[in-house]
Amino acid sequence: GAGVSQSPRYKVAKRGQDVALRCDPISGHVSLFWYQQALGQGPEFLTYFQNEAQLDKSGLPSDRFFAERPEGSVSTLKIQRTQQEDSAVYLCASSLRTGGDTEAFFGQGTRLTVV
Amino acid sequence: ILNVEQSPQSLHVQEGDSTNFTCSFPSSNFYALHWYRWETAKSPEALFVMTLNGDEKKKGRISATLNTKEGYSYLYIKGSQPEDSATYLCAFRYNQGGKLIFGQGTELSVKP
Repeated sequence: GAGVSQSPRYKVAKRGQDVALRCDPISGHVSLFWYQQALGQGPEFLTYFQNEAQLDKSGLPSDRFFAERPEGSVSTLKIQRTQQEDSAVYLCASSLRTGGDTEAFFGQGTRLTVV
Repeated sequence: ILNVEQSPQSLHVQEGDSTNFTCSFPSSNFYALHWYRWETAKSPEALFVMTLNGDEKKKGRISATLNTKEGYSYLYIKGSQPEDSATYLCAFRYNQGGKLIFGQGTELSVKP
């Protein structure tokens, strides 16, 4: 399809397990963002890529969180040794270019539940 | 700390009612204000991207205004329909290439 695709849609992980969440942005989109949305909250910024360069990772909550976009298209968000507080919806968004007036297109998100 | 506040948190209206929500954001270092609609099990959908003080934008029955000097934006829905039921998110951007800072959203429920 033409939109942002995220997989898996749902993931249940046992505490301590590592998980990897995938984002396929819209083809040709330069910017890619990851957000985390906890229940009852708005999405919170995790990290931002411009092509393959990770320009801002200030929102990653701990060193257990790692994101990459090695070829400037698909991105993976990895969470090591998952904890219950990692349970959230993880959203990926892409935009054609940088610029505050540029629309960001979101995927449907991955709902992670850590048990 | 950059904070974006939305009110109310939730709203229940009858079909045909008109309604509005508020988004408050920092008035300094403003770059853009985005509005999104997020229906359950779907992707957040962009409604408006607003950059200029005094901007008014309209899409069908939905419109938005922007006041960057005082740091607020209003979203209006005229003649609400059940399909308008969703969470409405606003997001503030303070520089060209950076992140969106989201409010917690307003959850709208429209009863037939």
